[in-house]
Amino acid sequence: GQQLNQSPQSMFIQEGEDVSMNCTSSSIFNTWLWYKQDPGEGPVLLIALYKAGELTSNGRLTAQFGITRKDSFLNISASIPSDVGIYFCAGASSPARNNNDMRFGAGTRLTVKP
Amino acid sequence: DTAVSQTPKYLVTQMGNDKSIKCEQNLGHDTMYWYKQDSKKFLKIMFSYNNKELIINETVPNRFSPKSPDKAHLNLHINSLELGDSAVYFCASSLRLAARYNEQFFGPGTRLTVL
Repeated sequence: GQQLNQSPQSMFIQEGEDVSMNCTSSSIFNTWLWYKQDPGEGPVLLIALYKAGELTSNGRLTAQFGITRKDSFLNISASIPSDVGIYFCAGASSPARNNNDMRFGAGTRLTVKP
Repeated sequence: DTAVSQTPKYLVTQMGNDKSIKCEQNLGHDTMYWYKQDSKKFLKIMFSYNNKELIINETVPNRFSPKSPDKAHLNLHINSLELGDSAVYFCASSLRLAARYNEQFFGPGTRLTVL
């Protein structure tokens, strides 16, 4: 199915820096989700957004559902070494009833240097 | 108290063999999924099952077949394995009837290597 455009593809930052990544789509979604995948593990849900304009925080993580419903961003403040991993965005319709309604971005690989 | 579990964690097999991967969830979810993650970490959905009914089916080879004995289990059978089937396979589940219906919870993955 059609993919989301997730950027950047990778990031190399110093511990303590803030991080920002985003996803865009040509389609409108009713849900945006952000996942983190550690090496050798499955993706873990970080934040789910269900309303356009919604801004939600989870600790040092903040994500927003774009007003146009075609984009979302994830910010990580004051990064720490355990933030290392691959971050995926996902967009879905309401509810996702077929394959094309739930789409994943290609991932942002985050490296944090101590 | 594992939420979504998969077995085996690693599977190494010869080309042409038939193999199965098992998945179980204890979250009370009504929908389960199988994803394939390739070497570039791209996640592609393969199947989903809702209340024992296959409701989506990505264009995967018919050598792959999901089997769901009950809504807590979704196994993946693969016949005549090929080199290109080598990947990490993830099981996931969600609760379609819940307010937060699109939140999928993933298992730890099964790394399949076909020699």
